[in-house]
Amino acid sequence: GDSVTQMEGPVTLSEEAFLTINCTYTATGYPSLFWYVQYPGEGLQLLLKATKADDKGSNKGFEATYRKETTSFHLEKGSVQVSDSAVYFCALTHGSGNTGKLIFGQGTTLQVKP
Amino acid sequence: NAGVTQTPKFRILKIGQSMTLQCAQDMNHNYMYWYRQDPGMGLKLIYYSVGAGITDKGEVPNGYNVSRSTTEDFPLRLELAAPSQTSVYFCASSWLQDLNNSPLHFGNGTRLTVT
Repeated sequence: GDSVTQMEGPVTLSEEAFLTINCTYTATGYPSLFWYVQYPGEGLQLLLKATKADDKGSNKGFEATYRKETTSFHLEKGSVQVSDSAVYFCALTHGSGNTGKLIFGQGTTLQVKP
Repeated sequence: NAGVTQTPKFRILKIGQSMTLQCAQDMNHNYMYWYRQDPGMGLKLIYYSVGAGITDKGEVPNGYNVSRSTTEDFPLRLELAAPSQTSVYFCASSWLQDLNNSPLHFGNGTRLTVT
C-alpha cells in the first residue's frame, strides 16, 4: 500500500543553520505531496504542497520539490529560527480520484537552539 | 476564529470504560475526519464523514464509532476502552474533498490514556 517515510528525529540545529528533513514515498499513480507542521500545543497546519512532478512548494522560507524519479519530497530551509521548532509531517494523497484522505509519515521533531 | 475545537484536552480512562471525544467546527465544512497519532508513528485515519448523516471507516476503525447528525459536530465514541487506544486523537475538517485545493484544518488534539 501507499506509505510515507521520514527521517528519524529529533533534529537539533542552531539558529541560522540549514535544514533538511528527508521524506520518501511509495504510491501507485500520481500522488500529491504535502508538508504539515505541528507547533507545540497546537494541531497540524498545512505548510506547503506540490501536486505534480517537479513542482516546488514554498512557504515561510521552507521549500520542497516533488521528485518523481527519486520518489522524494525533502523539506529545506536556508536559515532556521527558534520559532521553527515543531514537528513536521510529510503526507500524500492521490491527485486523481482524491478521497480526501491523507497518508502521513511518522513526523520529525525539529529543535532549534539560540 | 474558533476553527476546529476538540474537547477534552486530556483524559485518563480505565480499561472497559467508555467516553466520547467531542469535535466541532464553525467553518461550515462538509468533510470531517478523525485521526489517531501514536508515538513515533504517523497519523492514521479512524473515520471520516462527507456530510451530515454520512460516515465511513478509515484505516483503523475497530473499537470506535462516530455519528454526524449536524454539519458542525463529529463526535468519536469509544465503547470499551483498551490500552491499545492510548493515543493522541485529532479531529480535522476540510471545505472540499480535494485536498489539493482545500487544506485540512486540525483541532489541537485530545490526549487519551487508558490504564
